[in-house]
Amino acid sequence: SQTIHQWPATLVQPVGSPLSLECTVEGTSNPNLYWYRQAAGRGLQLLFYSVGIGQISSEVPQNLSASRPQDRQFILSSKKLLLSDSGFYLCAVLAKNIQYFGAGTRLSVL
Amino acid sequence: AQSVAQPEDQVNVAEGNPLTVKCTYSVSGNPYLFWYVQYPNRGLQFLLKYITGDNLVKGSYGFEAEFNKSQTSFHLKKPSALVSDSALYFCAVAYGQNFVFGPGTRLSVLP
Repeated sequence: SQTIHQWPATLVQPVGSPLSLECTVEGTSNPNLYWYRQAAGRGLQLLFYSVGIGQISSEVPQNLSASRPQDRQFILSSKKLLLSDSGFYLCAVLAKNIQYFGAGTRLSVL
Repeated sequence: AQSVAQPEDQVNVAEGNPLTVKCTYSVSGNPYLFWYVQYPNRGLQFLLKYITGDNLVKGSYGFEAEFNKSQTSFHLKKPSALVSDSALYFCAVAYGQNFVFGPGTRLSVLP
């Protein structure tokens, strides 16, 4: 079965600083990968998804970008963080028609 | 467009009583439906899915869900609630390789 690693678990960053969140997956090859943001412990907003290396689809234009440099690695980045980037970031993988989630990263932008 | 509604922000139930968390959906074609649970500061955990077959689907931790095509609903149920079931519950529908999630329902099970 697949395992999803996300780090760091928590992050506090000043406004205007860069961001890099990493997600790696084990136990599956050529997976579909997803980045979501969850604000205030409620609904999920799909940010990006990827069906393969170098293939990124953006769902919401914003201050963030994503990259997939390797088959099982998905990175979420920003050059300059905004206060509104605060939230809980979740990585997910699609396996046998089910999305499985990592433990998430809590980002606080101050 | 695909959409999922969870009409209740919050559901309170006494321990030992049956619980229901409601979900309705709007999709074109046959729906793939899911329930997830989220505990504080954790990722979402898959509970169960409906793709085809029996309308009553059984999942993890004693949860089940009933698919009703005519009412476009997929309500989550459990015969006897536990305090440890208190969490945030999400209904989702799949379209292609993406999922649409409902806004979530917070379940509180009172001892």
